[in-house]
Amino acid sequence: SQQGEEDPQALSIQEGENATMNCSYKTSINNLQWYRQNSGRGLVHLILIRSNEREKHSGRLRVTLDTSKKSSSLLITASRAADTASYFCAANNNDMRFGAGTRLTVKP
Amino acid sequence: DAGVIQSPRHEVTEMGQEVTLRCKPISGHNSLFWYRQTMMRGLELLIYFNNNVPIDDSGMPEDRFSAKMPNASFSTLKIQPSEPRDSAVYFCASSLGDRGSYGYTFGSGTRLTVV
Repeated sequence: SQQGEEDPQALSIQEGENATMNCSYKTSINNLQWYRQNSGRGLVHLILIRSNEREKHSGRLRVTLDTSKKSSSLLITASRAADTASYFCAANNNDMRFGAGTRLTVKP
Repeated sequence: DAGVIQSPRHEVTEMGQEVTLRCKPISGHNSLFWYRQTMMRGLELLIYFNNNVPIDDSGMPEDRFSAKMPNASFSTLKIQPSEPRDSAVYFCASSLGDRGSYGYTFGSGTRLTVV
C-alpha cells in the first residue's frame, strides 16, 4: 500500500518561528495530501498537491513536491500556539494511507 | 453542511458485547471510509465504500468486524463480539470521487473502550 512517512516524529518551536515537516513515499502517486489533527479530534484536510505540481500555497502553509525524490514538505510560516497539532501526509495512488505523523508543539 | 457526523462520541462496553458505530457522510460525497486510530498502530484503513458498495475491506481485522452502507447517507461499523484490543478511536471520513482524488472530511470519531 502507498503510505507517507513523516519526518521528524516530533518538532518543538517557539511562536513566530517557521516549522518544516517532511514526507517520503515509495511509488508513483496521483497526488499527496496533508492533514492536521488536534488532540481528540478528527483529521482536517489542509492541502492537496497533484503529481504535476511542484509547489502550492494556502495562507501560511506552503507545500512542495519533488516526485524525483519521492518527497514532500510542509512549511508553516510564522507559527502560532494554535498550530500545535499532529500533521499527517498521505500519498495517493488509488490507495491512500496515512503515516505516523509529526507532532508539532508551538510554545507561546 | 454539518460535516461528517459520527455517533456515539464515546462508547464503553464489556468484552463480548456487540458494538455498533454510526456515520452520516457529507451529502453528495460518494466515497466513505472507516479508519481506526491507536497509539501503537496509528491510522488504519478498515474499509472503503464507493457509491455505497464496499470496494476494499482488506483492512478489516477479522470476521468480528462488519460494515454496511445501506444508502448514501448512512453507514455502520459493527464489532461482534468486542474484545479489549478493539479499544481505539474509530473515524469515518467521506469524499468526492474515487479514493484519494479529493481531500477527505473526517468526523470527530467514536472513542471505543472495551473492558
